[in-house]
Order: sequence, then structure tokens, then C-alpha cells
Amino acid sequence: GEDVEQSLFLSVREGDSSVINCTYTDSSSTYLYWYKQEPGAGLQLLTYIFSNMDMKQDQRLTVLLNKKDKHLSLRIADTQTGDSAIYFCAEGGGSYIPTFGRGTSLIVHP
Amino acid sequence: DVKVTQSSRYLVKRTGEKVFLECVQDMDHENMFWYRQDPGLGLRLIYFSYDVKMKEKGDIPEGYSVSREKKERFSLILESASTNQTSMYLCASSPGNRNEQFFGPGTRLTVL
Repeated sequence: GEDVEQSLFLSVREGDSSVINCTYTDSSSTYLYWYKQEPGAGLQLLTYIFSNMDMKQDQRLTVLLNKKDKHLSLRIADTQTGDSAIYFCAEGGGSYIPTFGRGTSLIVHP
Repeated sequence: DVKVTQSSRYLVKRTGEKVFLECVQDMDHENMFWYRQDPGLGLRLIYFSYDVKMKEKGDIPEGYSVSREKKERFSLILESASTNQTSMYLCASSPGNRNEQFFGPGTRLTVL
């Protein structure tokens, strides 16, 4: 079946770059998404990439997609304490129900 | 600004009580979803609906039911709450032709 895997925790120093990785199995994925969940809140769509793209940049965020290896990454440049959150990778294939990873808790310390 | 709202941010109920969680979206979306979120388990889909009065079971429907009488409103019902239903409940909606979901702020339910 469909599966999305991501590591559970990432710890970085303020000002460093963070890279959150995700692998997926569904080769029919059309869109791949990154959501951010701040403490006590719902998920907020951060960015997405269409499956025929390799890279998408949006200010401090860079999304890289390796479709051959089914690997997606989110890079946050100059990570700030306000970036501390849970980041979910999700893939959208043929159905209208995306498959979510379990989320990566990003901890930013001074 | 698009919005998904949930009736309560925090709720405390007793075992055996009937619990209603309400979700409303103002984006005219066809699809609506209920998830529960538990530490280390990520999001698990309880039920979803792709049209008024239509509902489909997700991955963990046991102990829950849903109602969608109007397009903008999707209710989750716990007929007889149990302690293992203590969790964060998230509602989401999406347009019919896209799987990009918009989430509400969540309801943290505690069953004592």
C-alpha cells in the first residue's frame, strides 16, 4: 500500500539550515506537500511541489524532489526559534485523500 | 481568507457520554475529513465525506460515526466515549478535484 516515511525528530541550532527528509512509495503521486503544525494548532500548508518539478524555492524554504528515488526534502535556511514545529510530508496520488507521514518534530535551540 | 472552524478547542467528557464535535468550512469544498492525532502515530483518518449525506470509513472508524447534512458542516459523534478516545481531533476540507487539505485548529478531547 501507500506509505510515507519521515524521521520523528530533528534538532538544529538557531541560524543553521534544517533539512527534513521524506520518502514515499506511490509512483502516481501528482502533488507532494509540506505542512507545518505549531503547538496546539492544526496543520497549515507550507508549500507543495508538482511531481514534474525537481525544485521549488519560496523565501527561506527549498523543496527538492527526486522522483526516481521517491525522495522529498524540505530545507529551511537560517532556522529560527519560530520554526520549531512538527512538519508533515504528504503525497497526493490518484485519490483525493493524501497520505501523510507521521511528522518530524523540529527543535531549534539557541 | 479561507477558514475551517471547529466548535471547541478543548473538551472534557466522562466515560459513556455522547460527544459531538462540529466542523464548519466556508470554502464550498466538496470533501471533508476527520482525523485523530496521537503522539508518534501521526494523523489517522476516521471518516470522510465527499458530498452531502455521503460518508466513507477511514482507517479507524470503530467507536465513531459522522453526519453531513449540509455541505459546509461535518460532525463527528462518539456514541459512548471511552478513555482510549482521548486525543486531538482535526477536521479538514478539500475541493473536489484537489487533495490539498485545509485544516481546522483542532479539538483536544479528554475522556475521564
